[in-house]
Amino acid sequence: DGGITQSPKYLFRKEGQNVTLSCEQNLNHDAMYWYRQDPGQGLRLIYYSQIVNDFQKGDIAEGYSVSREKKESFPLTVTSAQKNPTAFYLCASTPLRDRGIYTEAFFGQGTRLTVV
Amino acid sequence: AQKVTQAQTEISVVEKEDVTLDCVYETRDTTYYLFWYKQPPSGELVFLIRRNSFDEQNEISGRYSWNFQKSTSSFNFTITASQVVDSAVYFCALSDALTTDSWGKFQFGAGTQVVVTP
Repeated sequence: DGGITQSPKYLFRKEGQNVTLSCEQNLNHDAMYWYRQDPGQGLRLIYYSQIVNDFQKGDIAEGYSVSREKKESFPLTVTSAQKNPTAFYLCASTPLRDRGIYTEAFFGQGTRLTVV
Repeated sequence: AQKVTQAQTEISVVEKEDVTLDCVYETRDTTYYLFWYKQPPSGELVFLIRRNSFDEQNEISGRYSWNFQKSTSSFNFTITASQVVDSAVYFCALSDALTTDSWGKFQFGAGTQVVVTP
């Protein structure tokens, strides 16, 4: 079955540590995205990538880093510079926009990160 | 700048009641897309509907219906005869067509938690 897999589902981090969240898709989508969800604030875009080896900052990129070495994978690293990393993180993917043909975004089931 | 406002934080209803979720948006663009997503307790977002700014027709899909009014910048969502399985967080989202180069870049509202009790 095609879809997006995020792992782990729950992640605990000590203050000062970097942690990496995994996102893998087998939908052959070109574009991938990371969103952060906080209670009462909806989802906010962290980073996105439309092609391998290229990515762009979203609205809240500070304290995060990403890589896109393979089309299928878009890992997110939460660095120690992120002052308030406790949140729910969602990964998504879509094809690129092409001649206006729309395809809905597919979301993973998320990773809940807690700083302990 | 784009903005999506979902003023209702939580709505509680008894099964079979109707529930309407409000969504008000702001954008300077003339071409844009509006979306509704459902987030069940499992966490993933489930796509419900997309509407482009040139199509103001209301839409009905089963127990779901959407009312898009460009004059008031609103895109409201109604669940008719609610069921316990409708309990979830519902997000309204906006994506402009001119500067957005991919379909996954959204401006989300804060979400509305719907609780349906038997």
